[in-house]
Amino acid sequence: NAGVMQNPRHLVRRRGQEARLRCSPMKGHSHVYWYRQLPEEGLKFMVYLQKENIIDESGMPKERFSAEFPKEGPSILRIQQVVRGDSAAYFCASSKGGGRMNTEAFFGQGTRLTVV
Amino acid sequence: AQSVTQLDSHVSVSEGTPVLLRCNYSSSYSPSLFWYVQHPNKGLQLLLKYTSAATLVKGINGFEAEFKKSETSFHLTKPSAHMSDAAEYFCVVSDNNNDMRFGAGTRLTVKP
Repeated sequence: NAGVMQNPRHLVRRRGQEARLRCSPMKGHSHVYWYRQLPEEGLKFMVYLQKENIIDESGMPKERFSAEFPKEGPSILRIQQVVRGDSAAYFCASSKGGGRMNTEAFFGQGTRLTVV
Repeated sequence: AQSVTQLDSHVSVSEGTPVLLRCNYSSSYSPSLFWYVQHPNKGLQLLLKYTSAATLVKGINGFEAEFKKSETSFHLTKPSAHMSDAAEYFCVVSDNNNDMRFGAGTRLTVKP
């Protein structure tokens, strides 16, 4: 059973370009979380999704950022018109959900976005 | 609403001495609590979790944590630090809706 797969591992974008980060959850997991880790800071919650639904996006910047988790395929975190301040490591996690015993999240290796 | 406060942003210990990483939480429900570790340039790894069973939880690599409801704490401890324990540690709270919130992290340095 493969773990949470994130790709690409490293992504370089010029200012103004779009960045697409992909996350394939573990088999059987229907809950996906995205976190951002800025240099010298902790992990910040961005968005929590279930299949085809955004449950909590209170940590998402109001502009340029969006996320989806379609019925088929990976979850996508999309950043439009990237700026230098978007440079960070973005981690995706998945869980089974559905109750207290299924809240453990398994993390991907992260995507390191560098905006030049 | 739920939140986590890690009381120390940086902890430094000598190899072979005890480790204490502090975590306080706030939750409207009986929470699930976790500690994750992140080594440099690596992803996050689960150390241990509390989900309303025994209040003293044993994890990997000799770490353990005790859930104290009266103090709303979930401190992480290890009797004897090893050089390989140097990493960033995150305390996490999750409510019944599976919404996970992270603390800001504590960087553990282990001196020889």
